Amino acid sequence: AQRVTQPEKLLSVFKGAPVELKCNYSYSGSPELFWYVQYSRQRLQLLLRHISRESIKGFTADLNKGETSFHLKKPFAQEEDSAMYYCALLSGGYNKLIFGAGTRLAVHP
Amino acid sequence: NAGVMQNPRHLVRRRGQEARLRCSPMKGHSHVYWYRQLPEEGLKFMVYLQKENIIDESGMPKERFSAEFPKEGPSILRIQQVVRGDSAAYFCASSRDGYEQYFGPGTRLTVT
Repeated sequence: AQRVTQPEKLLSVFKGAPVELKCNYSYSGSPELFWYVQYSRQRLQLLLRHISRESIKGFTADLNKGETSFHLKKPFAQEEDSAMYYCALLSGGYNKLIFGAGTRLAVHP
Repeated sequence: NAGVMQNPRHLVRRRGQEARLRCSPMKGHSHVYWYRQLPEEGLKFMVYLQKENIIDESGMPKERFSAEFPKEGPSILRIQQVVRGDSAAYFCASSRDGYEQYFGPGTRLTVT
């Protein structure tokens, strides 16, 4: 079965601390994975796609096929990073995204 | 390029009424997706459409729900005879090529 698991509902850190938002997936085949972010009162925005191996707003995510993980990391959290973060898997045939339940990141001053 | 548009942003319906949710994709995007988000849950896929065609409706409830994406005009998600359990946020996304999906602001449906 295709599934995305984000084990933490809430991650609370202080400004300047490192952040790791966990994402594990279940998929037979080569996965296409994304991270989306939703700031307060705003729409879901695409943050990262694994295929491009980029860094956006200081965030990076590496696909680990052995551990079936796609964790999102940032070395030094900022208050403006506070938001809901969703990990998503693109199903075969590009028909749909399968989302995790989301993790709320709260960065305190 | 304006983003994905959805209207209304908030919709209140009494039990038994019909709800119509509209989605205008980004310019140049021919793929439209609808997702539903229940409180404290992630987004769940409902249906995937291209112009005048339903490609995948595996996430749609079998009854009362329908979707269309006509040749002209927005995509419509229609819920007939709404019940309290239909209260949720409904998100539309569009894509140019079926790979990257861009989301609208959502419609919050409340059934009283």
